[in-house]
Amino acid sequence: KQEVTQIPAALSVPEGENLVLNCSFTDSAIYNLQWFRQDPGKGLTSLLLIQSSQREQTSGRLNASLDKSSGRSTLYIAASQPGDSATYLCAVRPITRGSTLGRLYFGRGTQLTVWP
Amino acid sequence: EPEVTQTPSHQVTQMGQEVILRCVPISNHLYFYWYRQILGQKVEFLVSFYNNEISEKSEIFDDQFSVERPDGSNFTLKIRSTKLEDSAMYFCASRDLWGTGELFFGEGSRLTVL
Repeated sequence: KQEVTQIPAALSVPEGENLVLNCSFTDSAIYNLQWFRQDPGKGLTSLLLIQSSQREQTSGRLNASLDKSSGRSTLYIAASQPGDSATYLCAVRPITRGSTLGRLYFGRGTQLTVWP
Repeated sequence: EPEVTQTPSHQVTQMGQEVILRCVPISNHLYFYWYRQILGQKVEFLVSFYNNEISEKSEIFDDQFSVERPDGSNFTLKIRSTKLEDSAMYFCASRDLWGTGELFFGEGSRLTVL
């Protein structure tokens, strides 16, 4: 069974810092990996999706990398802002025989606080 | 921008009552999902649905749960007889047939069972 772990569980930084959030997964047989943002009491907003054949994806100040063979992904946030404060979730979609829809397995998330 | 919408945003119910949570997936999407998140815990998969039938379900999705696509736009999750441990945030998600495989989630329905 796929297990997803995110480190650190919480992070508090001053505005302007560059950040790295880590995600690891136990089974490297994945279709893709998706990073989400979750604000308190709210839904999941998709940030980036990396296919298994890709090494990284970028969107604005966000850059996600994937090292499938070692079971790791990182989310890099450049020049952090107070508005970035949220919980960041990593989820992987394993390659599953017999199912084409592919459930996601989530980590617990990293709770980020950026203070001004 | 197209989005997944869920109703109600919050429902409070008594133990043993039936609850129906509703979702309107993005209009051209064909794969639908329900996930849940108990407070302080991971987001967990419940069920996936395609072509009017369940594709996969987790061990959480027992006989008390059912899903339905009653018309061309809605996708519902029914909990037949709620238990205290069903209290959670329930998320609906959808994705299209082709493309990247990216899942789009709704804002969630918070269920509180008393």
